[in-house]
Amino acid sequence: AQKVTQAQTEISVVEKEDVTLDCVYETRDTTYYLFWYKQPPSGELVFLIRRNSFDEQNEISGRYSWNFQKSTSSFNFTITASQVVDSAVYFCAFNTDKLIFGTGTRLQVFP
Amino acid sequence: DAGVIQSPRHEVTEMGQEVTLRCKPISGHDYLFWYRQTMMRGLELLIYFNNNVPIDDSGMPEDRFSAKMPNASFSTLKIQPSEPRDSAVYFCASSRFAFRGGTFGSGTRLTVV
Repeated sequence: AQKVTQAQTEISVVEKEDVTLDCVYETRDTTYYLFWYKQPPSGELVFLIRRNSFDEQNEISGRYSWNFQKSTSSFNFTITASQVVDSAVYFCAFNTDKLIFGTGTRLQVFP
Repeated sequence: DAGVIQSPRHEVTEMGQEVTLRCKPISGHDYLFWYRQTMMRGLELLIYFNNNVPIDDSGMPEDRFSAKMPNASFSTLKIQPSEPRDSAVYFCASSRFAFRGGTFGSGTRLTVV
């Protein structure tokens, strides 16, 4: 079975703290894609990153970074120096033939 | 690029009524997806199309739900008759290739009373 698990339901931090959102996936496929999406309070789904199963290089984009480890089937997302505007629900998703979403982690960043 | 356009943004209807949700994908995108988001079930894929042809409708909850894509620029999701448990946010997404980070519309918030 293919599955995405986001064990953290909700995380609260104070501005400027670093925060890591965990994502663990299960699959028997060797070719797949992993994603992170952000859903701010306004409700839209914003694409953040895509990674394929053959590329384990970590990626950094501004304050955002992603750590993909095939050995542990994890694709974690770190926000450095969090800001209030980062408050949102973050979804990890997994795709072979169709996209399967995790249950999301609600991040609240307090000033 | 106007993005994926969904209409209406909000829909309130009475139980038993027919509801039609609309989606215009991004031009040139061959894949179109309908998702439903609820508190209880999270984000779940209902159906997706490739080149206007339904490929996988295993997520469609019941026969009351139907989806069509008559051409590359338009798709509908219809619920007939609607029930209160259908209340959710329905998202449409499109992608150029087999789903690799598609673009989502703003969603339609459906409330069935």
